Amino acid sequence: AQSVTQPDIHITVSEGASLELRCNYSYGATPYLFWYVQSPGQGLQLLLKYFSGDTLVQGIKGFEAEFKRSQSSFNLRKPSVHWSDAAEYFCAVGELNDMRFGAGTRLTVKP
Amino acid sequence: DAMVIQNPRYQVTQFGKPVTLSCSQTLNHNVMYWYQQKSSQAPKLLFHYYDKDFNNEADTPDNFQSRRPNTSFCFLDIRSPGLGDAAMYLCATSRVRDWPDTQYFGPGTRLTVL
Repeated sequence: AQSVTQPDIHITVSEGASLELRCNYSYGATPYLFWYVQSPGQGLQLLLKYFSGDTLVQGIKGFEAEFKRSQSSFNLRKPSVHWSDAAEYFCAVGELNDMRFGAGTRLTVKP
Repeated sequence: DAMVIQNPRYQVTQFGKPVTLSCSQTLNHNVMYWYQQKSSQAPKLLFHYYDKDFNNEADTPDNFQSRRPNTSFCFLDIRSPGLGDAAMYLCATSRVRDWPDTQYFGPGTRLTVL
């Protein structure tokens, strides 16, 4: 069965610093991968997705993610974090109508 | 703007008192989903509708039911809420079901059970 692991429960970075959130998946075939962001008390907003093609995908709000098949990873990156990026980030893997979410990584941004 | 709307945003109910949560969408998507998200956890899929075709997850308790009277609306009924059902309930939609499609989420309804 497919699964998603986000190893970091909580990450704190300083504003302006770079960010990388880790995501590892377990899936037999080519995965369909997503990153969602959830601000406190809000629903999930799609940041970016990977279905096929270029393994480096660009998303909204300056985020990007790179699919690495050899490492079964889909890490999310941002070169310079803004205070408004503080939120919960969920990696997800999709198959047909089934979306499996990781447990999430909470990002805190220090001034 | 096309969107997914959930009402109410906050719902308080009493232990054992039935409650209905509402979701509507203006995206004209075929698929609608209900997720339960407890504090600091990942969203957990309860069920989904593909048009009028209802699909229940194997581990969704019988206490949870859903209705989709038309394309735009989907309801989540909790017949006898327990304290363990307090959570954020997220509605989502997608255009298709037969391949992984982007799911668009509503803002959620936070349910409190007293």
